[in-house]
This record gives sequence, structure tokens and C-alpha cells, in this order.
Amino acid sequence: DGGITQSPKYLFRKEGQNVTLSCEQNLNHDAMYWYRQDPGQGLRLIYYSQIVNDFQKGDIAEGYSVSREKKESFPLTVTSAQKNPTAFYLCASRGPEGNTIYFGEGSWLTVV
Amino acid sequence: AQSVTQPDIHITVSEGASLELRCNYSYGATPYLFWYVQSPGQGLQLLLKYFSGDTLVQGIKGFEAEFKRSQSSFNLRKPSVHWSDAAEYFCAVGALHNNNDMRFGAGTRLTVKP
Repeated sequence: DGGITQSPKYLFRKEGQNVTLSCEQNLNHDAMYWYRQDPGQGLRLIYYSQIVNDFQKGDIAEGYSVSREKKESFPLTVTSAQKNPTAFYLCASRGPEGNTIYFGEGSWLTVV
Repeated sequence: AQSVTQPDIHITVSEGASLELRCNYSYGATPYLFWYVQSPGQGLQLLLKYFSGDTLVQGIKGFEAEFKRSQSSFNLRKPSVHWSDAAEYFCAVGALHNNNDMRFGAGTRLTVKP
């Protein structure tokens, strides 16, 4: 099936540790995104990538890093510099028809 | 930059009743407008979208939305709500010339009473 796969679904991290969230898509989309969602708030853009080997900061990039070595993959690393990392993280990609963005199922990160 | 306002944080309707979720946007040109639905702990699913043309757009699951430029609104409607429609609904606006600057509203949580 075509789609966006995020893993793991649930992740626990100790303070001071880095953690990487995986995002893979087989939709052949060029653009990919990472959003953060907190309760009662909309989605906030962390990073986006329009093409392989290129990525740009979004509104809340501090404490996060990404890479885009392959078209299909856009992993997000939550570093120890991120002061409040507990959240729901959504990966997305953009299709060719207009600006429609499609989402993965999300990953819950809890810092303990 | 564009922005989206969803005035209602939480709405409760009875099963079988009609539904309207409000969305107001701010953007200087013709926007791309979207409605997404999110079940608890899940990703967002696209319900419908408006790019141009007919201002009344039909989506999945019996939803429709109407673009009203004069009111800067893109309200979501459904004639008869089902219990399975209980979820969080997000309105979003995108820009024609900046594909990566999509803005989401804070969401409206829908509760359906039996």
C-alpha cells in the first residue's frame, strides 16, 4: 500500500538523550515535513525538505535536526537541547496536485 | 503570512443532527483551503480541499465545505452526523507561491451524543 510510515509509534526517552523518529514514504513525493502537535494546539512546522539533500527550518526548529539522504526517508532527531520534547510528532509529504499534504500516523514521544 | 482561526474549541451535537464547523482564514490572495480529521492518537486524514472553481466542495464521509471569499470563511458541514464522526477537525490554509507555508487552525473537537 502507498503511504507514509512512522516508527516507532510510542517512544520514551530519558532527559539528556537524543532520539530519532523514522519517516518513510513510498508515494514518490518530493517534499516532506515534520510537524509537532501539542494538546489543544494546531500543528507547528519543525522542518521541511523539498528535495533530496536539502531541508529548511520551520517555525520551531530549535532542538531538532533532520536529514534527507533518500527521497523516501526523512528522519527527525530530537536532541537534548529541545527543552520540552514530549509531544505527538507527525510526518507528512506533499503530492504533486496543488499543495495537498498527506500525513503519517504519528509518533508519541515522552521524556521521563 | 496566512493564518487560520477555528472559533469553536469543542462542539457537541446529537447523532443525526446537522453539523457546521467554522473556519476563518487570513490571506491576501486566493488561498488553498483544506479540512482534515484526526481520530485520537492518529494522523490527519484529508476530508476535502478547495483550490479554485466551484466554491462548494464535496469530500469524503459525506462532508462538504463552502468557500466564501467575502467572509474569508471555509466552513465544514454535514447534514446528519454519525457517532463515528467524533474526532478533532482541523482547517488549514496554504499559499499558492509558498508551498511550504501551510497554516493549521487549533482544531475543533467534535463530540457526538447518542
